[in-house]
Amino acid sequence: AQKVTQAQTEISVVEKEDVTLDCVYETRDTTYYLFWYKQPPSGELVFLIRRNSFDEQNEISGRYSWNFQKSTSSFNFTITASQVVDSAVYFCALSEDAGGATNKLIFGTGTLLAVQP
Amino acid sequence: DAGVTQSPTHLIKTRGQHVTLRCSPISGHKSVSWYQQVLGQGPQFIFQYYEKEERGRGNFPDRFSARQFPNYSSELNVNALLLGDSALYLCASRLNGYTFGSGTRLTVV
Repeated sequence: AQKVTQAQTEISVVEKEDVTLDCVYETRDTTYYLFWYKQPPSGELVFLIRRNSFDEQNEISGRYSWNFQKSTSSFNFTITASQVVDSAVYFCALSEDAGGATNKLIFGTGTLLAVQP
Repeated sequence: DAGVTQSPTHLIKTRGQHVTLRCSPISGHKSVSWYQQVLGQGPQFIFQYYEKEERGRGNFPDRFSARQFPNYSSELNVNALLLGDSALYLCASRLNGYTFGSGTRLTVV
C-alpha cells in the first residue's frame, strides 16, 4: 500500500533560520511521483515541486531545495533563510504513474511551519 | 488564465441534508479530482473524473457521488450529511501536474 509519513507535526523557527521538513514514503511501484504543496491559512494548496522516481537529482529553487533519496525512501524539503511568509502547512504527497487512469495523490498529514519574526 | 474555481466558498448545512459543490477546472484540463480535508489532516482522495468518466474512487460511502459535464466542470454531491462530513473540499484539475482550487469549507451542524 502507498503511504506518506511526515513525522514532524509542528516546527517553529526564528526568521532567517534554515529548516528541513521530512517526508518518508512507501510504495511498491517502480514508477511514481513525489510532490510538495504549501497550504497557507486561505486553504488553497500551492504546488511547489514534482519529482519522478527516476530523477534523483537534488533540486534548488531560490530559497527552496529538495533532497530525494530512493535508498531511504525520503523526499525532504529545506527552506534556507526562512521568512515569516513561509509560515504555512506543508504537505508531501505521492502518486503512482497510472497513465491515463487513476493517479490519485496520497498525502501525508502535513507539517505546520511557524516562522517567528 | 483563471485557475481552478470552486463554489461556494463556505457552506453551512444541517445533518441529513444534501449538498452540491461545484468545480471549474483550468481551461484545457480534462481531468478533475475531488479531495476531502478534515481539520488537521492531509487531503483524502474522493473521486477522479477524466473525459466525463469516473476513473477512480476513494474509500468513501455511497452518499458521496460526483459527475463531470461536457465542459469538464464537475459537481460533488453528498447526501444525508453527517457531522463528520464537515471539512474543506478541494477540487484539482490536472494536465501534467495537479492544480488545486481554494476549496469549499462545509460545516454540518
